[in-house]
Amino acid sequence: AQTVTQSQPEMSVQEAETVTLSCTYDTSESNYYLFWYKQPPSRQMILVIRQEAYKQQNATENRFSVNFQKAAKSFSLKISDSQLGDTAMYFCAFMKQGSSNTGKLIFGQGTTLQVKP
Amino acid sequence: EAGVTQFPSHSVIEKGQTVTLRCDPISGHDNLYWYRRVMGKEIKFLLHFVKESKQDESGMPNNRFLAERTGGTYSTLKVQPAELEDSGVYFCASSPLGQGIRNTEAFFGQGTRLTVV
Repeated sequence: AQTVTQSQPEMSVQEAETVTLSCTYDTSESNYYLFWYKQPPSRQMILVIRQEAYKQQNATENRFSVNFQKAAKSFSLKISDSQLGDTAMYFCAFMKQGSSNTGKLIFGQGTTLQVKP
Repeated sequence: EAGVTQFPSHSVIEKGQTVTLRCDPISGHDNLYWYRRVMGKEIKFLLHFVKESKQDESGMPNNRFLAERTGGTYSTLKVQPAELEDSGVYFCASSPLGQGIRNTEAFFGQGTRLTVV
C-alpha cells in the first residue's frame, strides 16, 4: 500500500521570501504521479503542480517548483517570492499510473502555510 | 464553466439520523470521486465512479454509507444511520476520462462539513 507523509503540520514565511514544504512517500510502484494541491481558507482545493515519476526533470509552475528525489521517495514543494494569497493548506498526493489507475489520490496529512506581511 | 459543486456546505445531525450529500461534477467529467477528511487526519479516498458505475469502492468504511450516481451525472452519498465518527469534511472531485498526465488533475468541490452530535 502507498503512504504519503507530510511531517510539517504548520509553517510560516514572510512575504516575498522562499519556503519549502516537505513530503515523503512510500510505494513499490515504478510508474506514478505526484501532486501538490492547495486549499485556501474556505475555498476548494486546486492543483498547484504535478510530476510524472519517470521524468527526472523537476516540474516548475511560475513561483512553484518541486524537488523530486525518486530514490529517496521525496517530493518537496518550493514556493518562491511568497505572496499573501499563498496562505493555505497544502496537500501532497500520490497516484498510481497505468491501466489499473483509477485516478485515486493518496494524500498526506497536509501542511498549513501562513504567509505573513 | 461551473466547477464542482457540493451541498449542503454544512450539516449538523444527531446520531442515528440520515444525511444525504450531493455532488455535481463538472459537465462532461465521467470520473467522480468521493473523499473524506476526519478532523486532523489525512484526506482518504472513499469511492470512484466512472459514469454511473462504481469503479472502486474500496475506501467505503462500512455499509452505512451508500453512494449513487444515477445517469452518470450528479452523485449522492447517504449516511444511514450516522455515527459520531462519521463527522468530517466530505469532498467530491471530478476529472475527465483518459490516460496521460493531462487527465490526472482532479477538480474538487468545496466540501460538505458534516457534524454528527
